[in-house]
Amino acid sequence: KNQVEQSPQSLIILEGKNCTLQCNYTVSPFSNLRWYKQDTGRGPVSLTIMTFSENTKSNGRYTATLDADTKQSSLHITASQLSDSASYICVVRGGYNFNKFYFGSGTKLNVKP
Amino acid sequence: DTEVTQTPKHLVMGMTNKKSLKCEQHMGHRAMYWYKQKAKKPPELMFVYSYEKLSINESVPSRFSPECPNSSLLNLHLHALQPEDSALYLCASSQVLERGTGELFFGEGSRLTVL
Repeated sequence: KNQVEQSPQSLIILEGKNCTLQCNYTVSPFSNLRWYKQDTGRGPVSLTIMTFSENTKSNGRYTATLDADTKQSSLHITASQLSDSASYICVVRGGYNFNKFYFGSGTKLNVKP
Repeated sequence: DTEVTQTPKHLVMGMTNKKSLKCEQHMGHRAMYWYKQKAKKPPELMFVYSYEKLSINESVPSRFSPECPNSSLLNLHLHALQPEDSALYLCASSQVLERGTGELFFGEGSRLTVL
């Protein structure tokens, strides 16, 4: 069964600290993996995409990693800011219907001053 | 700003009303999607259109009726909804797989409340 699991479900950190969010997937065949940020009541916005051949990719203070062998990805946020408070959703594209995306349940991040 | 535009942003309707949600994109994407999102949950897929044809219907009740009039527009017609249908409805678009890396571009959503 194609699934995406994220951990932790929620996370509280102090402003300026770093954190790492995890995503494990069983989607096969694998096409790509994206991390999305979703502010409350808004649509998700893509942060970064990982394809099969990529191990690490950075986008400002966000760094994503992918281990295609173990089917694990992480999103590392450096020097967190209050505006980082949001839900972070791991989305995997794959399976045998190419237009299907598999969503994790998200990690709710709360950055406190 | 998102390149997927959804209207209206907020909609309140009674259980006997008929209303529609609209979505528009001008990125040349040929796959368009409707998702339903309840509070504190990830988006749940409802429908996928590929090249203006319905390719996925995730067993959605018939009180939700999608329509794709052309490659830029996607509608969701609503009729006889239930209070539990209240949610954020997200439209998204993407290139079809063979033409790109397949990022989902989301609209800001339509917040639906059914009384």
